[in-house]
Amino acid sequence: DAGITQSPRYKITETGRQVTLMCHQTWSHSYMFWYRQDLGHGLRLIYYSAAADITDKGEVPDGYVVSRSKTENFPLTLESATRSQTSVYFCASSEVWGREQYFGPGTRLTVT
Amino acid sequence: EDQVTQSPEALRLQEGESSSLNCSYTVSGLRGLFWYRQDPGKGPEFLFTLYSAGEEKEKERLKATLTKKESFLHITAPKPEDSATYLCAVQAPYYGNKLVFGAGTILRVKS
Repeated sequence: DAGITQSPRYKITETGRQVTLMCHQTWSHSYMFWYRQDLGHGLRLIYYSAAADITDKGEVPDGYVVSRSKTENFPLTLESATRSQTSVYFCASSEVWGREQYFGPGTRLTVT
Repeated sequence: EDQVTQSPEALRLQEGESSSLNCSYTVSGLRGLFWYRQDPGKGPEFLFTLYSAGEEKEKERLKATLTKKESFLHITAPKPEDSATYLCAVQAPYYGNKLVFGAGTILRVKS
């Protein structure tokens, strides 16, 4: 049972480049989430999705784009990376809205 | 102003030395309070959900309690393997019923 996986686990990119972080879950959970984790800020919600083709903004969506064509995948794209987007990114999923979320292992992204 | 505040930021304990971590929140209409454990380089791992004041949940050496405006994570006789960052998150209508996380408490247990 793979659960929720993220790729790549580590990524270094340059300012201005586009980069996509992948998230895949095997539970068929309806809800999926993208968070970023920075020192002193805790986890902050970037985007979330209630089902395929249904997405909505979280607390810090600027500079990010998401899509969800299949229930199991929820990629996060940084269209033009900036240094302020250097962070650890976590994907999560939940079977029911308001219930516990299950997190992936994270992607550490560095923008130089 | 932080909406979800965890204290202390860091805690060092000797093995067997019991203590408590605190999570306080200002929002009204709590729908749920969640506790997670996070090991270095890994994603948060779900521990507990509390829904109403007075509720308690236990798992091994951990017990979570909830009052009207705060939650405590009690750690009884901790072991080195309990060392981790403990995160709490609040769900409330004010936040659109999305989870809002605190910054976490880093716990180190020395043998």
